[in-house]
Amino acid sequence: GAGVSQSPSNKVTEKGKDVELRCDPISGHTALYWYRQSLGQGLEFLIYFQGNSAPDKSGLPSDRFSAERTGGSVSTLTIQRTQQEDSAVYLCASSIPPPSRQYFGPGTRLTVT
Amino acid sequence: AQSVTQPDIHITVSEGASLELRCNYSYGATPYLFWYVQSPGQGLQLLLKYFSGDTLVQGIKGFEAEFKRSQSSFNLRKPSVHWSDAAEYFCAVGTTSGTYKYIFGTGTRLKVLA
Repeated sequence: GAGVSQSPSNKVTEKGKDVELRCDPISGHTALYWYRQSLGQGLEFLIYFQGNSAPDKSGLPSDRFSAERTGGSVSTLTIQRTQQEDSAVYLCASSIPPPSRQYFGPGTRLTVT
Repeated sequence: AQSVTQPDIHITVSEGASLELRCNYSYGATPYLFWYVQSPGQGLQLLLKYFSGDTLVQGIKGFEAEFKRSQSSFNLRKPSVHWSDAAEYFCAVGTTSGTYKYIFGTGTRLKVLA
């Protein structure tokens, strides 16, 4: 079966523009996570969706960041008014209800110029 | 606060040598523990996990890790490293109460000398 997919794989945007990053989780996985990986840093938790529960947004760094998950499947991470410090690799992971292992997508490399 | 520490940012070993990557965590209960590997241009792949039971866990690619509660550690080991093991390794803790979260260390980059 297909793994977690993310699009685009690379995104270059100008400072101040909005961007949308997409994640397609593994079918049947109810949990979905977004992380940010900056150069030389570990994975920074951003947001967690589990089934129909309210998402855990505690990791979002500012109100410029938001995420949706439609129909319990595809998720979109939106960054408004991008800043240079938003440049990073954004990783999506999905799993069956935790605790369980996560399956990671290949990531979207975002570069803000 | 929960945290994961990987004290070694870079490690270099010769092919065929043994390897140990350190991971220490801070958590108020027994956590779920994971090691992931990220090869260049690849997504993160699970090497092994510990949920309960035997504290020595075996993973893929010949890796193993030992959970030591008294030391709050979950070090990753391999008896003989292969050149293809060159990658970045992440230790992660899964919380076991409240909202499930996974906390990752900052990673250890492994270089293998031929």
